Amino acid sequence: GQQVMQIPQYQHVQEGEDFTTYCNSSTTLSNIQWYKQRPGGHPVFLIQLVKSGEVKKQKRLTFQFGEAKKNSSLHITATQTTDVGTYFCAGPIEGTSYGKLTFGQGTILTVHP
Amino acid sequence: SAVISQKPSRDICQRGTSLTIQCQVDSQVTMMFWYRQQPGQSLTLIATANQGSEATYESGFVIDKFPISRPNLTFSTLTVSNMSPEDSSIYLCSVELTELGEKLFFGSGTQLSVL
Repeated sequence: GQQVMQIPQYQHVQEGEDFTTYCNSSTTLSNIQWYKQRPGGHPVFLIQLVKSGEVKKQKRLTFQFGEAKKNSSLHITATQTTDVGTYFCAGPIEGTSYGKLTFGQGTILTVHP
Repeated sequence: SAVISQKPSRDICQRGTSLTIQCQVDSQVTMMFWYRQQPGQSLTLIATANQGSEATYESGFVIDKFPISRPNLTFSTLTVSNMSPEDSSIYLCSVELTELGEKLFFGSGTQLSVL
């Protein structure tokens, strides 16, 4: 069945260092979404990528969607303590549409001040 | 965006009992989704709740264990039946507002612990 894998599972950085998490799907995705979950909170939508090779930026965050639409990455430049949380990638469950997502395992980011 | 109210926010339940989780949205939505997040794990879709029809369950989840109601376009309930410790998870209600693209808005979740 469809799998969405994310690495690394954990990442500890010093404040100011960069951070990258990678997402790989076993199947081609129509789109990929990224969510952030703060400790004790619920997932919050960050961005959606739709086009092959697409790159989007949100301030210090850069999101990429692979040419084959099977992988994606999230890069944070100069991390801050406010970046702490779990970052999930998610793609539509194969053969379905709206709202039915398969989530990666998530990358837990810890930022040491 | 959507404001999603979910309750209870947390509960501790005894094995063999049932718990009903309520989800209220501040706007009318066609589909509501119930996800489960087991401790330290990712999110898994349980079912899709459609107004006026039976819920659609994903592989590994059955109606007898997770009955769902959807009486109108702003409200849904998920019941976790005959609970066991393996049901200890965070249960999340979510909606998608198509006019805002294919992104999910999540409720604050219900943290369930089964003893």
